[in-house]
Amino acid sequence: GAVVSQHPSRVICKSGTSVKIECRSLDFQATTMFWYRQFPKKSLMLMATSNEGSKATYEQGVEKDKFLINHASLTLSTLTVTSAHPEDSSFYICSARDGGSGYNEQFFGPGTRLTVL
Amino acid sequence: LAKTTQPISMDSYEGQEVNITCSHNNIATNDYITWYQQFPSQGPRFIIQGYKTKVTNEVASLFIPADRKSSTLSLPRVSLSDTAVYYCLVGPNTNAGKSTFGDGTTLTVKP
Repeated sequence: GAVVSQHPSRVICKSGTSVKIECRSLDFQATTMFWYRQFPKKSLMLMATSNEGSKATYEQGVEKDKFLINHASLTLSTLTVTSAHPEDSSFYICSARDGGSGYNEQFFGPGTRLTVL
Repeated sequence: LAKTTQPISMDSYEGQEVNITCSHNNIATNDYITWYQQFPSQGPRFIIQGYKTKVTNEVASLFIPADRKSSTLSLPRVSLSDTAVYYCLVGPNTNAGKSTFGDGTTLTVKP
């Protein structure tokens, strides 16, 4: 099946710094990727839809200036958490659809654990 | 986006069949139903997808009644390694089609 990778798998940073998370589709091209965040024992919450070559579409309540998304190529989307604070600590997961799979299901990355001190 | 409702948790024993039902009363005509499995600190993993009637693959079956307002994921002969959270997603099957996650069902398989 299609593979989506994320880097880094975990990151610890100081409050006020910015953190970039990469999401790559390894064996397929993805014009659209999705970014989710997940708090402990909670479900995934959709943050934004990342569109290749255009601006991301953010869900209601998600600050676009706080969570910068860039989808520069058909296989890479990045999420930058700017001026991170402890409340931004969470598990961030990206996903992409492989239109050639037949099911067109979403394939999810392994997630990135962000801890802001 | 269609809202989904699932039981919060279920317990089972090894070797039993487990059926998890999801309600999605406001499913749209172009929506598909997809089930995912998630282990702690990992991304969700695709299990099965369907539009209507019954779909079966090597790991599960998905039953969807004619009105499509609910669906049932059936896991045959579960093992301890099937302990996980199971999510039912409803959404369009297009490249840009987004789906929202419900609360999921925590399945605990006991020896």
